[in-house]
Amino acid sequence: DQQVKQNSPSLSVQEGRISILNCDYTNSMFDYFLWYKKYPAEGPTFLISISSIKDKNEDGRFTVFLNKSAKHLSLHIVPSQPGDSAVYFCAASLNYGGSQGNLIFGKGTKLSVKP
Amino acid sequence: EPEVTQTPSHQVTQMGQEVILRCVPISNHLYFYWYRQILGQKVEFLVSFYNNEISEKSEIFDDQFSVERPDGSNFTLKIRSTKLEDSAMYFCASSEIVSTGTDTQYFGPGTRLTVL
Repeated sequence: DQQVKQNSPSLSVQEGRISILNCDYTNSMFDYFLWYKKYPAEGPTFLISISSIKDKNEDGRFTVFLNKSAKHLSLHIVPSQPGDSAVYFCAASLNYGGSQGNLIFGKGTKLSVKP
Repeated sequence: EPEVTQTPSHQVTQMGQEVILRCVPISNHLYFYWYRQILGQKVEFLVSFYNNEISEKSEIFDDQFSVERPDGSNFTLKIRSTKLEDSAMYFCASSEIVSTGTDTQYFGPGTRLTVL
């Protein structure tokens, strides 16, 4: 049961260009979405998040877009840098009544940024 | 910057043995979590813990698993009798209660458990 799907296992981008990572979800009750970056042999590192009441959140080179009607979110990295090369995980949660819900992860997309 | 720490980084054990994985969450955080990632698969939720009790657990978290906060800083995951299929990376995470109800969880570096 894949409630959070990242359909592209890998993405290769040239340095300086835009990286767009996509994520789809099936549960319309999700109300909080996060992106994590993960290097080999390390834990997921929080990158950026968005609440379901918003459609865009920006933090420096990273922007997350949420399209609730399509149940789709995307992470844009502009400009891409070689140090951005990592596996990117999309995650979603249900924050019912203010309690802290567990995160449901996608399978990840491996981003390679070539110099 | 405060971070979640985990020990050991790698644990090798024989099938049937008990293991305890240790975590030190970020000091002002109040929610704690364990996740695991079997090689090549998704990161999966195991359990969340708040106010000295389990608040949520997945179907993976059966009677072989238990969690504890033995003191003010540590958070542990115990597997009573390990099975081969318990081999995975185990990640601890913590989050701070935020009035908006958002749920930014910060992860530790993980413990690689190998069951032989």
